[in-house]
Amino acid sequence: DTGVSQDPRHKITKRGQNVTFRCDPISEHNRLYWYRQTLGQGPEFLTYFQNEAQLEKSRLLSDRFSAERPKGSFSTLEIQRTEQGDSAMYLCASSPLAGGAGELFFGEGSRLTVL
Amino acid sequence: TQLLEQSPQFLSIQEGENLTVYCNSSSVFSSLQWYRQEPGEGPVLLVTVVTGGEVKKLKRLTFQFGDARKDSSLHITAAQPGDTGLYLCAGVTYGQNFVFGPGTRLSVLP
Repeated sequence: DTGVSQDPRHKITKRGQNVTFRCDPISEHNRLYWYRQTLGQGPEFLTYFQNEAQLEKSRLLSDRFSAERPKGSFSTLEIQRTEQGDSAMYLCASSPLAGGAGELFFGEGSRLTVL
Repeated sequence: TQLLEQSPQFLSIQEGENLTVYCNSSSVFSSLQWYRQEPGEGPVLLVTVVTGGEVKKLKRLTFQFGDARKDSSLHITAAQPGDTGLYLCAGVTYGQNFVFGPGTRLSVLP
């Protein structure tokens, strides 16, 4: 399967713990995006990378959130000191760098539940 | 901040009916996309519209981009239960970021 893969698919943690999600994009895609989605809502932008450079980060993203894409391939999203409000689906998407409107290819998401 | 609004938020119709959902913004985007998302999966692209006034058809789905490139509509003819899902519009910024609306949740009853 050459699609976007995310791991883990589900994570249950206690408040205050740290969690890390991994995303493996489609191999030839330069851009990688992280979104957060709560039930019944659209995806909320968190951050995106072009190769290893983090080009944009949402102002809504607190200092507890950090993302990396060290070699321009896979990416990790870490949430420190989790809070119940962090419970959501975390979606990763990749896109080829193209001159026109690109397309986002999404993974199936990592669902986080903070108890 | 670029925001997208979608209406209606929820729509429940009988199989065979027609429907239209709307996406509106106060901002201009380089293009606008529509995605459909099913439970437990990520969104999947349906269409991209780029030019103001553009109309695209995809089988029973018709997409329109407003002349000012701030709004769009999705019309489904003769809806089927397989059309059930969350329909999301996304504005593509000139910096190649994607801003999503809150979605319209469609339920087509057999």
